This record gives sequence, C-alpha cells and structure tokens, in this order.
Amino acid sequence: EVQLVESGGGLVQPGGSLRLSCAASGFSFRNYWMHWVRQAPGKGLVWVSCIKGDGSITFYADSVKGRFTISRDSAENTLYLQMNSLRAEDTAVYYCVSEIGKGGYWGQGTLVTVSS
Amino acid sequence: QTVVTQEPSFSVSPGGTVTLTCGLSSGSVSTTYYPSWFQQTPGQAPRTLLYNTNTRSSGVPDRFSGSILGNKAALTITGAQADDESDYYCVLFMGSGSWVFGGGTKLTVL
Repeated sequence: EVQLVESGGGLVQPGGSLRLSCAASGFSFRNYWMHWVRQAPGKGLVWVSCIKGDGSITFYADSVKGRFTISRDSAENTLYLQMNSLRAEDTAVYYCVSEIGKGGYWGQGTLVTVSS
Repeated sequence: QTVVTQEPSFSVSPGGTVTLTCGLSSGSVSTTYYPSWFQQTPGQAPRTLLYNTNTRSSGVPDRFSGSILGNKAALTITGAQADDESDYYCVLFMGSGSWVFGGGTKLTVL
C-alpha cells in the first residue's frame, strides 16, 4: 500500500524557516518524480515544486523560487521542502504528491502557519 | 501568466450527467498538457481521479471519464451519486517542469 506521510508543519514567524518531510513507502520511491502542492485555508490547490527521482532536476513555482528548496533522500525514502524567508501568504496545508501527472498518490498534508 | 480556468460551481441531479471543464485563459488545452483531475471532499486530502486526459486511477469507478472537448479538458460524471458532491480540480503541465492547477469546481448533487 502506498503511503505518504508529511511532517514538520507548525507555527512560524514571518521571515522564519521550516523544513517539511514526507516519508514514502509502498512504491519505488527513487523512480518517481515527487511534488509539493499547497492549499491555503479555504482556497484552491497550488503547485509548489517538484524533483526528479534521482534528485538531479528540480523546478519551482515563481512564488517560492529562491526561498524554498526541494530535496530527497532515496536511502530514507523521504522528500523534503526547506522553506526560508516565510511570508504570511505561505500559510497553507502542504501536500506531498507522487507523479502528479501519472495518477499519483497524495499524503494527508501538514499545516504551516506563518504569523507573528 | 497563463491561468487555468474551471467553472466555480456546478450542480447535478442524482443519477444525472455532468461535464466539468478545464481551459486556458489563452489558448487551447490538448493532450500535450497531460490534464489530470482530482477530487477533494472537505477536510480531506485530494485524490487522483484521472490522469493523462482519460486514464482512471486505481479504484476510480468508470462513471468518471475524461476527454478533450473543443479547446478544453473535460471530466464527465455519469450517474451522479450523493457522495460525488466534492471539489474537483484539474492540473495542466505547462512545460519546463511546472504544473498549474485550476481554481476548482464545487459540485453539488441535489
């Protein structure tokens, strides 16, 4: 059974940093593109970033470019999102998703709240 | 900046058929955008219904189908049921590794 379990969310002040993790199991993690998608309270889904299976290629939405860094550890089957210089508008539930364009699976999400 | 468009809301009667669409603010959607569709009920994570235009994800009933209709991607629900009442999102591949979601359609079954 495929499982994606996010962690690391919480309350952080504007300008602060947070690192999200997504533990993957039940599939060949190293062979799949992985994505982060976020959803602000009461709003729609927004694609944030993705990374190739071997970690060699990454892409970011313009809204997070230069502030967020996606990475992965295939030995640990874990996806990460390092978020720096956080802003109020980054407040959202963050989901990790496998192969978003190929019938991918979604985690349950982790809530990030940026507020003073 | 290209915007992916969806109907904000739609309603369907139980047992009826409804088609939700996913378009572009500029241009036409084709299979090369690899449209996918997701269903989300309140408080839950999304789940994938369809990908690559018309391929159903594992466990998705065949009353959900996808297509290209005119210049848009489309999700058709045939024989709507009460538990189809959800938010539906599409996503399109924009090239250079980026994906863009539509704003979502709130489907009411009544």
